[in-house]
Amino acid sequence: EVQLVESGGGVVQPGGSLRLSCAASGFTFDNYAMHWVRQAPGKGLEWVSFISGDGGYTYHPDSVKGRFTISRDNSKNSLYLQMNSLRTEDTAFYYCAKDNGAAAIDYWGQGTLVTVSS
Amino acid sequence: EIVLTQSPGTLSLSPGERATLSCRASQSVTNSYLAWYQQKPGQAPRLLIYGASSRATGIPDRFSGSGSGTDFTLSISRLEPEDFAVYYCQQYGSSPQTFGQGTKVEIK
Repeated sequence: EVQLVESGGGVVQPGGSLRLSCAASGFTFDNYAMHWVRQAPGKGLEWVSFISGDGGYTYHPDSVKGRFTISRDNSKNSLYLQMNSLRTEDTAFYYCAKDNGAAAIDYWGQGTLVTVSS
Repeated sequence: EIVLTQSPGTLSLSPGERATLSCRASQSVTNSYLAWYQQKPGQAPRLLIYGASSRATGIPDRFSGSGSGTDFTLSISRLEPEDFAVYYCQQYGSSPQTFGQGTKVEIK
């Protein structure tokens, strides 16, 4: 059974940093690309990061480029999201998500809440 | 960036009725790389359809997807009580991947 468990969320002041982690199990981790997707409370979904299975390719949309960095440690079956220069509009649930091999997302974690507030 | 517009915003139906949800893209979706997700309150999204028309593992056959280019549809043939939720479309053929704003299917 695929399991994705996020951790590292919390309350941080504007301009601060936070590192999210995602522990993956139930599949061959390094065979699959991974994503981070966020959802502000009561709002829709926003894709924020992508990383290939070997970690050699990453993508961040303009909304977070230069502030967020996705990475992975395949020896630990773990995915990370380093978030710097956080803004109030970054407040959201952050979901770790598994790629299905064709860039769609087939499994999601339960999410971790990041609150950016003074 | 491809903008996805879902309609209607809210669909009020009774159990047993058919639901038809629309997702329109601002430009053609590459290779029909269009997915549909279901989300219930307090839960993560669940993949229903990928590649515009392929059902994900374990998804009942009352869910079906169709379309190509810029117009896509999710149909639920007979609504079950557990189907009342918010549905999102997503295109993953071009970066950045983008989601529609969602359609809420509520009990009438």
